[in-house]
Amino acid sequence: QKEVEQNSGPLSVPEGAIASLNCTYSDRGSQSFFWYRQYSGKSPELIMSIYSNGDKEDGRFTAQLNKASQYVSLLIRDSQPSDSATYLCAVRYSSASKIIFGSGTRLSIRP
Amino acid sequence: DAGVIQSPRHEVTEMGQEVTLRCKPISGHDYLFWYRQTMMRGLELLIYFNNNVPIDDSGMPEDRFSAKMPNASFSTLKIQPSEPRDSAVYFCASSPSRAQQAQYFGPGTRLTVL
Repeated sequence: QKEVEQNSGPLSVPEGAIASLNCTYSDRGSQSFFWYRQYSGKSPELIMSIYSNGDKEDGRFTAQLNKASQYVSLLIRDSQPSDSATYLCAVRYSSASKIIFGSGTRLSIRP
Repeated sequence: DAGVIQSPRHEVTEMGQEVTLRCKPISGHDYLFWYRQTMMRGLELLIYFNNNVPIDDSGMPEDRFSAKMPNASFSTLKIQPSEPRDSAVYFCASSPSRAQQAQYFGPGTRLTVL
């Protein structure tokens, strides 16, 4: 069974520091990787997508992908209280159109 | 551009009643997904459609659940009869047909079955 694993947290990070969120997946055939942010009571919101090995930067966010290690991460620089949310890692496997979601990591940015 | 639209946003019903949730995907998106989210089980895929055709309904919990997509701009998820354990937030999401594309979620319907 294809799986996406995340540490549930909570991960507590001081304001201004770097938050590092990690995700592992089980299927080497995976092609597309996504990070969603979900505020309490709201729907998941796409913040990053990455398709090839290496880093992809967008503002304060950097996604990192290592297909050999089956590992994807999200770095948030200069963390702000507004970054406090649950972050969902999602993986699209090559054989399907659907996306498998991890259970999410709850991030708390303390002032 | 309008995002995914869902209605109602909140639904409170009594056990045994029929519940119908509605979704309008983003125009031009060929895929539509129905999810259920609870604290215990996280985000679960129930069913998804491609070009209005159901592709994978393996996540539908039981025969009480059914979903239809009569046209490219409308889908329904029906629960009949509803049970308290169906209480959850139900999300609809859509994505374009191109490979590698992400899914975009609607605001969700919070269902409470008493």
